Amino acid sequence: QVQLVQSGAEVREPGASVKVSCKASGYTFISYDITWVRQAPGQGLEWMGWISPYNGNTNYAQKVQGRVTMTTDTSTSTAYMELRSLRSDDTAVYYCARVVVAVGAGGGWFDPWGQGTLVTVSS
Amino acid sequence: DIQMTQSPSSLSASVGDRVTITCRASQSISSHLNWYQQKPGKAPKFLIYAASNLQSGVPSRFSGSGSGTDFTLTISNLQPEDFATYYCQQSYSTPRTFGQGTKVEIK
Repeated sequence: QVQLVQSGAEVREPGASVKVSCKASGYTFISYDITWVRQAPGQGLEWMGWISPYNGNTNYAQKVQGRVTMTTDTSTSTAYMELRSLRSDDTAVYYCARVVVAVGAGGGWFDPWGQGTLVTVSS
Repeated sequence: DIQMTQSPSSLSASVGDRVTITCRASQSISSHLNWYQQKPGKAPKFLIYAASNLQSGVPSRFSGSGSGTDFTLTISNLQPEDFATYYCQQSYSTPRTFGQGTKVEIK
């Protein structure tokens, strides 16, 4: 079955960086973009951007542009999201998800999702 | 950016009820609207794509409708496992944006 498995929880001090991994299985990794979405405690979902494992093209949300880098390793079917210069308001659960696009069915959807990685930014 | 606004933010309902959640986009998004369900401590689960198309395996008591700027998610015959938070998301343009969520609670 299609599955995304993320790395474990992280604690960082303000100003540090964090890199979260997302290992895909059950499908051809390069055929689908990977997106990252975060959720602050008790809050809604915030799209951060996506990456094409096929060619490495990325599209980042303006809010994190300049601090985020999304990469993939096609040899291990793993996507990574690195966030730098961490602030307290970056504390959130970070999710990866596969982007599914079907002809004539809109701009695509996110399915499935990884289990989430809690990143806590605290001094 | 396209703003997505859901209403209500929360609602209380009983098992067997019919529930309707509304999602409004700040500009026309055609039918590029998806719905997700999230239970506490879990990742979101994809339910409906392109406004009205049910993902395989999703119970038929879930349905979606709408186009342009106004959309609805309806759950008929609410079941205990349906108590969760529901999010709409537009797939018309980047940045992709979500509604703020609607929490469906047990009355």
